[in-house]
Amino acid sequence: GQNIDQPTEMTATEGAIVQINCTYQTSGFNGLFWYQQHAGEAPTFLSYNVLDGLEEKGRFSSFLSRSKGYSYLLLKELQMKDSASYLCADVPSGYSTLTFGKGTMLLVSP
Amino acid sequence: DGGITQSPKYLFRKEGQNVTLSCEQNLNHDAMYWYRQDPGQGLRLIYYSQIVNDFQKGDIAEGYSVSREKKESFPLTVTSAQKNPTAFYLCASRDGGTVEQYFGPGTRLTVT
Repeated sequence: GQNIDQPTEMTATEGAIVQINCTYQTSGFNGLFWYQQHAGEAPTFLSYNVLDGLEEKGRFSSFLSRSKGYSYLLLKELQMKDSASYLCADVPSGYSTLTFGKGTMLLVSP
Repeated sequence: DGGITQSPKYLFRKEGQNVTLSCEQNLNHDAMYWYRQDPGQGLRLIYYSQIVNDFQKGDIAEGYSVSREKKESFPLTVTSAQKNPTAFYLCASRDGGTVEQYFGPGTRLTVT
C-alpha cells in the first residue's frame, strides 16, 4: 500500500505490551482500520477509528491522530496466539476501497 | 450461516492455463473485492464491484478479469497474461452503507 507505513516485524514476550505504529497520508482520509491475520487465513477486523483518540476493546486498543496522520495498535497482556500479521488500512475519499499497508508481523515468544 | 466462501483452498495449475477462482457471499452485500497477497507486500487490490454488472480495476488488474452477473458471486479469472500468478488470493465483501470489509478464507494458487 502506497502512502501507508508500518514496521515490517516486531517481537515481544508473553505477558508484555506492544505498540504497532502506522502512518498514512492525510489527504482524503475517512478513517483507519486495523485487521489481524494469522498465516494462511483471512484478515479479521480489530478496530475502525474515525475520530481522534483512543478506543479500547479488551486487551486491544487503537489510537488515531488525524492531524499527524498517525495511528497505533496497542496489545496488552500478550499471548502466544497474538503472533500474527497486523494490517493497517485507510479509507480514501469515496469510501469504496481500502488501502492497506504491508503489514507488521508480530512474533510473541514465551 | 452467513459468510463468504472461496473454493478451493489450494489450487495448482500449469503455466499458460487460465484459471478461475470462485467467491460467493450470502451476506447480501453490494460490494465485492479481490485482493492478491504476496509475502511482504500486504494486500493489493485487483478488481472491485459495487453493483451487479459493474466493476472497476484496482491497482494491479493486468492479467486478471472478473464478472459480476449475480450479487452473490464475483469470480476472478487469472489469465495466462499474468506474469507471476502464484499468490494467496482473498475475496472480500462490504455492505453498501458501511466501510468495513469482510474477508473470505482465501485461495492459494500455485502455477508451475
